[in-house]
Amino acid sequence: KAGVTQTPRYLIKTRGQQVTLSCSPISGHRSVSWYQQTPGQGLQFLFEYFSETQRNKGNFPGRFSGRQFSNSRSEMNVSTLELGDSALYLCASSLVGQSGNTIYFGEGSWLTVV
Amino acid sequence: KQEVTQIPAALSVPEGENLVLNCSFTDSAIYNLQWFRQDPGKGLTSLLLIQSSQREQTSGRLNASLDKSSGRSTLYIAASQPGDSATYLCAVRGDSWGKLQFGAGTQVVVTP
Repeated sequence: KAGVTQTPRYLIKTRGQQVTLSCSPISGHRSVSWYQQTPGQGLQFLFEYFSETQRNKGNFPGRFSGRQFSNSRSEMNVSTLELGDSALYLCASSLVGQSGNTIYFGEGSWLTVV
Repeated sequence: KQEVTQIPAALSVPEGENLVLNCSFTDSAIYNLQWFRQDPGKGLTSLLLIQSSQREQTSGRLNASLDKSSGRSTLYIAASQPGDSATYLCAVRGDSWGKLQFGAGTQVVVTP
């Protein structure tokens, strides 16, 4: 079965622009989470969506937002990009409420802000 | 606030040696703990998941132990191979939802 799919894989944006990243979870997974990975801060939790509702949110400014659609696909948006937003953005999906619910990650979207 | 630490940050071993990777966490009230592998420029690959009620989990050459009371988990990789070279990350979950708290990872190099 297909894994977590993220698009685009690589993108370059200019400061002040906005960007939208997309994530398709594993079929049947209704929980989608987003993480930011940078060399300095490591992996940090952005937010989690379940059944189109934001379930949990990390400590990021309001420029970072997301949403989930009825088919569980999710998008995250970063507005007014800053150089420090350059990072690998990872999407993860999982089942919820079941024991042994492994979290699976996609290959990530590499964002470079210039 | 949960904090996850992985020591050492990096290690290099000759092929064939066993690898021992450590992970510690400050709050023992975890739901489960998951070990991941990350190759350069890639996403995370799940290796093992240990439920809070379990003491260990095994998959092939990999074995992970969990001691919740002392806030520690150890990942053992037997008979290391150059293909095991990667960064290994542990992450804890506080409940059944998807928020993971990650350690900084251990970068492993296995030399032929």
